Amino acid sequence: ELKVEQNPLFLSMQEGKNYTIYCNYSTTSDRLYWYRQDPGKSLESLFVLLSNGAVKQEGRLMASLDTKARLSTLHITAAVHDLSATYFCAVDPQGAQKLVFGQGTRLTINP
Amino acid sequence: NAGVTQTPKFQVLKTGQSMTLQCAQDMNHNSMYWYRQDPGMGLRLIYYSASEGTTDKGEVPNGYNVSRLNKREFSLRLESAAPSQTSVYFCASSEYGDRARTDTQYFGPGTRLTVL
Repeated sequence: ELKVEQNPLFLSMQEGKNYTIYCNYSTTSDRLYWYRQDPGKSLESLFVLLSNGAVKQEGRLMASLDTKARLSTLHITAAVHDLSATYFCAVDPQGAQKLVFGQGTRLTINP
Repeated sequence: NAGVTQTPKFQVLKTGQSMTLQCAQDMNHNSMYWYRQDPGMGLRLIYYSASEGTTDKGEVPNGYNVSRLNKREFSLRLESAAPSQTSVYFCASSEYGDRARTDTQYFGPGTRLTVL
């Protein structure tokens, strides 16, 4: 059974600090996705990572993928309050976009 | 473009009642999906439709049925609702295929369902 595990599940940090969210998965996957969800809202796509070594950046967020280690990271640089949300990673083990999601990381950024 | 729309936004049912959740997308996507989200958990795939006229089970299909009415619309039906089906339901769509490898799924606003 495929497992997608995020670490940590809860993260409280101060503005201006850096931190990393980890996403481990237990089987090979064609691609990996990161999504953001604000409380009571829908999911918003952040990144699609397609190959080993892929790195994508958008503002203060940077995502990377290591398919050999079955690990993706989401790095937050100089956090700001607006980045407070729940972040999900998801993998696509069958290449059919039947996504399997991690549990989510609830990120709270305090002034 | 409205993107992915869902109706209703909220619904309360009694155990044993039936209902249909509606989803429509205006992005001309081939693939559509239904997920449920429970507290403290990620989304779990209920059913998906790779293209018009086809549907297939996901991770948690029991207690649900789906209909891909046309390319735009994908409905989810609960025939006899149970308290365990209390959840937030999200519909999504994507342009899946070799020519769209970089595409992602686009999610609707969700339906919050409570079964008493």
